[in-house]
Amino acid sequence: GESVGLHLPTLSVQEGDNSIINCAYSNSASDYFIWYKQESGKGPQFIIDIRSNMDKRQGQRVTVLLNKTVKHLSLQIAATQPGDSAVYFCAENKDQGNLIFGKGTKLSVKP
Amino acid sequence: SQTIHQWPATLVQPVGSPLSLECTVEGTSNPNLYWYRQAAGRGLQLLFYSVGIGQISSEVPQNLSASRPQDRQFILSSKKLLLSDSGFYLCAWSSSRGPQHFGDGTRLSIL
Repeated sequence: GESVGLHLPTLSVQEGDNSIINCAYSNSASDYFIWYKQESGKGPQFIIDIRSNMDKRQGQRVTVLLNKTVKHLSLQIAATQPGDSAVYFCAENKDQGNLIFGKGTKLSVKP
Repeated sequence: SQTIHQWPATLVQPVGSPLSLECTVEGTSNPNLYWYRQAAGRGLQLLFYSVGIGQISSEVPQNLSASRPQDRQFILSSKKLLLSDSGFYLCAWSSSRGPQHFGDGTRLSIL
């Protein structure tokens, strides 16, 4: 089975609140992790990535946290907006650039 | 900047008919190329990947094949489609150490 999975299949938040999407991975040798956003009918869109030599990386309104001790990855979205509604996937590297994707978390933002 | 194009966006084909989906990448050289299939509400399943012209690796046994006739062109084919081939097909590219970037996919329906 997949070594990357998500704790929650759905997440509903109020507009303006912060969102946290979680992901667990099983391969302690993985050294590269990526978060993707997929809107309905479109391909996944790269959000942010992190390598295993880092614990935290920030982008515009997004932060990825990596806890190698417990093999846990999270994506934090600040001041969540309706346009953030989508399915979010985490992925870890496998080999030769191949990735293993989690099943996805659907984020719904309530106005 | 790099762009990836997939076509067609949607396709309806009868069982037993052939298939050819095309993907091209612009703005980069010698990319890694990938074909995925995504079932409704599910994660991404890697079908094929290629690290160079004429080099194709298959991840799962199936009714499909892939070819890379040019550096930035990746084609997904079938001689005879099955009902189970229905799905959302995504092409992606990456550099050797970077994230994968996806096209907008082809929605394939088999009747």
